[in-house]
Amino acid sequence: ELKVEQNPLFLSMQEGKNYTIYCNYSTTSDRLYWYRQDPGKSLESLFVLLSNGAVKQEGRLMASLDTKARLSTLHITAAVHDLSATYFCAVPLGQNFVFGPGTRLSVLP
Amino acid sequence: DTAVSQTPKYLVTQMGNDKSIKCEQNLGHDTMYWYKQDSKKFLKIMFSYNNKELIINETVPNRFSPKSPDKAHLNLHINSLELGDSAVYFCASSRGLAGAAAQYFGPGTRLLVL
Repeated sequence: ELKVEQNPLFLSMQEGKNYTIYCNYSTTSDRLYWYRQDPGKSLESLFVLLSNGAVKQEGRLMASLDTKARLSTLHITAAVHDLSATYFCAVPLGQNFVFGPGTRLSVLP
Repeated sequence: DTAVSQTPKYLVTQMGNDKSIKCEQNLGHDTMYWYKQDSKKFLKIMFSYNNKELIINETVPNRFSPKSPDKAHLNLHINSLELGDSAVYFCASSRGLAGAAAQYFGPGTRLLVL
């Protein structure tokens, strides 16, 4: 059974600070996805990581994938309030996806 | 020009009733999905459907049944609703086979069973 864990589950940080969210999974996968969900809203695709060593950046967010360690990171640089949301990683398993529990990020002014 | 749409957005109903949620995607995607998000925000896949192949999560009660009239639609029918069915249900779609590409999610249907 594939398990996907995220750390931390809750994160409160000051604007301007840096932080990293971790996603680790229990079985082999060569790809991983990150999504963002605003409160009361739907999920939005952020990053698609398709191979070992993949790194993607968009604005203040950067995601990476280490398939050997079964670990992905989502790094936040100089956080701003607009980044407050819940971030999910998801790993494909056969023809399904398994989502992590989500990291609820709150960026305080 | 909505990519993935769902109706209704809100659904309040009594225990024991039967209800349906409709989903349509205009992205030309090959695979569609249904997810359940509970009150703790955990997302769990219920079904994936690709080219008439249905993959069912074995934990989903058989009161839930997906119906796909065509490639652009995957509706969810629920029989004999129970209190524990209260959740947000998301439809999603993706290119190619399930798991091969990022998913595009619909706005969600908030179901409350009284």
